[in-house]
Amino acid sequence: DSGVTQTPKHLITATGQRVTLRCSPRSGDLSVYWYQQSLDQGLQFLIQYYNGEERAKGNILERFSAQQFPDLHSELNLSSLELGDSALYFCASSPTLRGASGNTIYFGEGSWLTVV
Amino acid sequence: AQKITQTQPGMFVQEKEAVTLDCTYDTSDPSYGLFWYKQPSSGEMIFLIYQGSYDQQNATEGRYSLNFQKARKSANLVISASQLGDSAMYFCAMREERNRDDKIIFGKGTRLHILP
Repeated sequence: DSGVTQTPKHLITATGQRVTLRCSPRSGDLSVYWYQQSLDQGLQFLIQYYNGEERAKGNILERFSAQQFPDLHSELNLSSLELGDSALYFCASSPTLRGASGNTIYFGEGSWLTVV
Repeated sequence: AQKITQTQPGMFVQEKEAVTLDCTYDTSDPSYGLFWYKQPSSGEMIFLIYQGSYDQQNATEGRYSLNFQKARKSANLVISASQLGDSAMYFCAMREERNRDDKIIFGKGTRLHILP
């Protein structure tokens, strides 16, 4: 158990709909990352938050948005869903912003999203 | 720009043999971290091992060791005495530690099959 909690674990929804994925980081971790893993694209970095502020942005679509709340949990909102958004969405967390020896990031179990 | 390359899409290895999974990287940042993650068929991402660019010794964690060759920009994962449970997808990843972008980027992975 990595200590990172993601809900829901599985979600099936229709095209055009909107969903929210939730992530609770490990206790004390300030940094939260979101990744998308699809069969043909591998693991793609979407966005990172540190202590409530957006820190880095990757290949995140405009239809997607995220935020980190004062209690450090984070939500990823996916709207106007398309078939191609079907993927495994990971949240990960790490304690600090800058890398230190052994300062890795730990992943949640992921949220499987299927758009039909 | 940072880049991770894993040239082996798949590998088949006999149980109890040692396995080397290749990873090369590219970065202009003198301070960086290298990571290996395991993803079994259940989907979760499991952190295996970390190597900092300034670490003098190769990292080891149980049966996992990282063969770090800085001049070659190589960070191969070695699994000793492979077990059936090692069958999984393995990802090499990197974080540039002086970059404002704190994200970790991943290679495309190597699928390892351990044969009984």
